[in-house]
Amino acid sequence: AQSVTQLGSHVSVSEGALVLLRCNYSSSVPPYLFWYVQYPNQGLQLLLKYTTGATLVKGINGFEAEFKKSETSFHLTKPSAHMSDAAEYFCAVTGGTGNQFYFGTGTSLTVIP
Amino acid sequence: KAGVTQTPRYLIKTRGQQVTLSCSPISGHRSVSWYQQTPGQGLQFLFEYFSETQRNKGNFPGRFSGRQFSNSRSEMNVSTLELGDSALYLCASSLAYSYEQYFGPGTRLTVT
Repeated sequence: AQSVTQLGSHVSVSEGALVLLRCNYSSSVPPYLFWYVQYPNQGLQLLLKYTTGATLVKGINGFEAEFKKSETSFHLTKPSAHMSDAAEYFCAVTGGTGNQFYFGTGTSLTVIP
Repeated sequence: KAGVTQTPRYLIKTRGQQVTLSCSPISGHRSVSWYQQTPGQGLQFLFEYFSETQRNKGNFPGRFSGRQFSNSRSEMNVSTLELGDSALYLCASSLAYSYEQYFGPGTRLTVT
């Protein structure tokens, strides 16, 4: 079975500051991990994914995440926040047969000018 | 390449009615998954179809059903609507056996 925990339902950062969104997972099989972003009244857009290989994954819009098996974490970071980063962010895990995804409850990111 | 499309985008129904939502996947994608998104429960997996067969099912009552056609388009049906069914219903498509899902904009269902 798989599950995801996102710590902090709301995160506020100043424009230009570091963005850190936390995600911890539980998986009985090697996990495939994802970060999605959702803007108001839109669907989810894939930011980045970890399947196998390099544990530091770079995504779109300057985001990156590091898979740490020992900590069962997949935290999302961005060195410098931009106003356009304000959105809801979801961490997700899959690993079983087919394509069943398990999503975290989401973190709402606010960027303060 | 066109993205995932969902119709209608907004829908208002009354309790007891039934509703059908439609999803057209990205061309070439054979897997379609459906999710329910609500403020209280977040994103919950409903079911996944692959080559017209339901491959996975989440923990939802039998009032929620779906199907997939030979062209990979999928429909989701909810019968005997309840107030708690008000939600954003998202559809996602992916290539066969790919873990990368592409989401549509969703259908906002309001049950009154």
